[in-house]
Amino acid sequence: SYVLTQPPSVSVAPGQTARITCGGNNIGSKSVHWYQQKPGQAPVLVVYDDSDRPSGIPERFSGSNSGNTATLTISRVEAGDEADYYCQVWDSSSDHYVFGTGTKVTVL
Amino acid sequence: EVQLVESGGGLVKPGGSLRLSCAASGFTFSSYSMNWVRQAPGKGLEWVSSISSSSSYIYYADSVKGRFTISRDNAKNSLYLQMNSLRAEDTAVYYCARDRGSGSQDFDYWGQGTLVTVSS
Repeated sequence: SYVLTQPPSVSVAPGQTARITCGGNNIGSKSVHWYQQKPGQAPVLVVYDDSDRPSGIPERFSGSNSGNTATLTISRVEAGDEADYYCQVWDSSSDHYVFGTGTKVTVL
Repeated sequence: EVQLVESGGGLVKPGGSLRLSCAASGFTFSSYSMNWVRQAPGKGLEWVSSISSSSSYIYYADSVKGRFTISRDNAKNSLYLQMNSLRAEDTAVYYCARDRGSGSQDFDYWGQGTLVTVSS
C-alpha cells in the first residue's frame, strides 16, 4: 500500500518560515492535499491540488510537489498556526485515500 | 452554510455493532461523494470509506473491509456507516467529510466527529 511519510515535528519562531515535507514514491505524479488540525477540532483543508488554497485560507500557506516529496510552506508563522498538519493523496492503484503520518508544528 | 453533523457514537463491547449517521445541510447532498475518516486517541487521521454521489462507487480501507458498510440516503441528506464485529482498535473519533467535488480527491468540509469506544 502507498505510504506517506512526514516528520513528527517542526519547530519555528514567529515570523519565520515553516516547511513540512510529505514523502511518497513518485508523489509528484499525484495531487497532494494538506489539512490543519488544532486540538479538539476537525481538520481543515488548507491546500489542495498541490498548491491551491480554499477561500479563506491565508496566502501565507503554499504548497509544492515534485519527485518524491511534497512540501507545505507556512510563511510569516503566527502563534495561531500551531497545529498538526497532514498530507493526503488518492492512490489509484488501490482505490484508497491515504493520509500522511502527521507533523506537529510548534511555534516557539 | 455547509454543515455536517455526526451522531450514533458511543460505548460498545468487542464484537458488537454500531451505526453512525451524518446529517448534511447547506449544499446539494446528492451531488457530492462522501467519506468517513477516523482518528484514534492521540493518533493520526485514517481514511475509512468513501461513497460516490449515486452510490455507484464504494471503497473501504483494508482495516474495515468486510466489517463496515457505508451507505447514503440522498432523499434524507444523510450518510451512514454500519460497523459490525467491532474491535478495540476501532476506537476513534469518526468524522464524515465531503469531497470538494468536480473530480477532486480532497475533503473540503468535515463534521465535528462522533466518538466510538470499543471496550468490555
